[in-house]
Amino acid sequence: ILNVEQSPQSLHVQEGDSTNFTCSFPSSNFYALHWYRWETAKSPEALFVMTLNGDEKKKGRISATLNTKEGYSYLYIKGSQPEDSATYLCAFSSGSARQLTFGSGTQLTVLP
Amino acid sequence: KAGVTQTPRYLIKTRGQQVTLSCSPISGHRSVSWYQQTPGQGLQFLFEYFSETQRNKGNFPGRFSGRQFSNSRSEMNVSTLELGDSALYLCASSPNGLLYSNQPQHFGDGTRLSIL
Repeated sequence: ILNVEQSPQSLHVQEGDSTNFTCSFPSSNFYALHWYRWETAKSPEALFVMTLNGDEKKKGRISATLNTKEGYSYLYIKGSQPEDSATYLCAFSSGSARQLTFGSGTQLTVLP
Repeated sequence: KAGVTQTPRYLIKTRGQQVTLSCSPISGHRSVSWYQQTPGQGLQFLFEYFSETQRNKGNFPGRFSGRQFSNSRSEMNVSTLELGDSALYLCASSPNGLLYSNQPQHFGDGTRLSIL
């Protein structure tokens, strides 16, 4: 059973603050790491798919880094806005088990 | 391009009944995966269908089954419903599926199933 852990479980920040969360996954047999944003009453939306150690991806104010050797990925949000409030999910795929194993998510609330 | 469509959005059933959920993927996507989310749990992988064949299966009992049609639409069936089956069921599509899991999954809005 693959273990994907996300921290913190929830986070409240003020509008304008920058924040980051962590996704930890098995460091062996890595294939891909996904990040999704899931807003209430909507469907999960893909942010990034990362495959290479040292990968850095950016989408507007959101960026992510990947360290496959130590088994973690960071998601950063710069200058948080209320519309960033959502649950952020990471999902890991190994080279052998081609299915996505999701973490439990980090629930972000940005206060105006 | 239309997104992933799941029907129905909400469903109420009683214990012992069976239920069928439907998922229409994005046009051109041949893979449909199904996930279950219960309170306090992350998304749990149920199974993946690709070109009408089940390609991978998660750790769920045989009461959970599915199929895929030639137009890539997929159905998921749960028989002999239990209270613990109350959950949000999401499907996701991608062009070539989880074998190439460097492709993002495109999710539907889900079906909320409540068992009384």
